[in-house]
Amino acid sequence: DSGVTQTPKHLITATGQRVTLRCSPRSGDLSVYWYQQSLDQGLQFLIQYYNGEERAKGNILERFSAQQFPDLHSELNLSSLELGDSALYFCASSPNRGGQNTEAFFGQGTRLTVV
Amino acid sequence: GIQVEQSPPDLILQEGANSTLRCNFSDSVNNLQWFHQNPWGQLINLFYIPSGTKQNGRLSATTVATERYSLLYISSSQTTDSGVYFCAVGNTGGFKTIFGAGTRLFVKA
Repeated sequence: DSGVTQTPKHLITATGQRVTLRCSPRSGDLSVYWYQQSLDQGLQFLIQYYNGEERAKGNILERFSAQQFPDLHSELNLSSLELGDSALYFCASSPNRGGQNTEAFFGQGTRLTVV
Repeated sequence: GIQVEQSPPDLILQEGANSTLRCNFSDSVNNLQWFHQNPWGQLINLFYIPSGTKQNGRLSATTVATERYSLLYISSSQTTDSGVYFCAVGNTGGFKTIFGAGTRLFVKA
């Protein structure tokens, strides 16, 4: 168990809908990262938050948004869903004290299926 | 942005064999990790190794930061080693952690 909790584990929804994925980081970790892994693909970096502030952005679609709350948990919102958004979405956390990226630990992922 | 290349893309081993996986990166890094993604999709931390050498049981890793590569050694492979091995790096001065495309390993009994 990495200590990073993601909910839900599985999600099936229809095209055009909106969903929210939730991530609770390891105790004490300030940074949260979101990644998308499509079928048999690598992990694509979406976005990183550090202590509530957005710190780095990857290839995140405009239909997607995220935030990190004062208690450091994070949510990834996916809207106007398309079939191609079906993927495994991972959250990771790391301490990153001192500002530098350090070892990241991953949750078990949320498997999103858009039908 | 920083580029990460892993080789080989696929590897099939007989149980008990040894292997070396490679990760090349295009810029200086301040963090580097190796992960194993098991057949159930779980990402397991193997090593946090921005430089130097580490060992954990049958696995060891070496990062030569000045030459921009890292190696993961698997000795006496077991069927449970099957899965995808990812290298992930963060470049110095940046905050993104970027994954390579992975090496897919299958160990035959």
